[in-house]
Amino acid sequence: AQKITQTQPGMFVQEKEAVTLDCTYDTSDQSYGLFWYKQPSSGEMIFLIYQGSYDEQNATEGRYSLNFQKARKSANLVISASQLGDSAMYFCAMREGYSGAGSYQLTFGKGTKLSVIP
Amino acid sequence: DAMVIQNPRYQVTQFGKPVTLSCSQTLNHNVMYWYQQKSSQAPKLLFHYYDKDFNNEADTPDNFQSRRPNTSFCFLDIRSPGLGDAAMYLCATSRDGTGEREKLFFGSGTQLSVL
Repeated sequence: AQKITQTQPGMFVQEKEAVTLDCTYDTSDQSYGLFWYKQPSSGEMIFLIYQGSYDEQNATEGRYSLNFQKARKSANLVISASQLGDSAMYFCAMREGYSGAGSYQLTFGKGTKLSVIP
Repeated sequence: DAMVIQNPRYQVTQFGKPVTLSCSQTLNHNVMYWYQQKSSQAPKLLFHYYDKDFNNEADTPDNFQSRRPNTSFCFLDIRSPGLGDAAMYLCATSRDGTGEREKLFFGSGTQLSVL
């Protein structure tokens, strides 16, 4: 079974509007971390935001916020006031708590391609 | 100010001809990773180093090897590239390896083409 599922291969959003990118995850660990990365066409993966499984508040970083619903195992990324420079691939990823050999693994979803329309 | 540097940005090799991709970091991080990312797919971890300790993922083909001569540098060697090895190769680092909060820092990647 996939550990990270991103169901939206592509999304369009009007400039200055907000957009939500979906991510659901699957783990039996109690302790885990969820990450969102942005990958522009240049190729570099850029860290955006982090949410820990025990964090009670939803994470926010500037225009990025994470809508964390633990019971539903979802960690959706919300981008407010979209800009043209936000056009990129967005990857949701999970890191499970220390469990031996797998502890270094950051598991990625397949990504969502976001296009911001002027 | 690049912290994780990958060279070259684009690499073309011939089928079966060994190729080496390089990665360097200025962060002094303990852990270095190599990910393979094929077109329209998620990055897939090949292996990582914790200091000098090499850790191979179970499904990484034997064709892929890695070297880490010092903290700053890590190399990915593909001994006999096949057409299926054409991909983006991403190098990443983290300060430590354990714990769910460890953030990875990535380089810009090397796009490998196999002719």
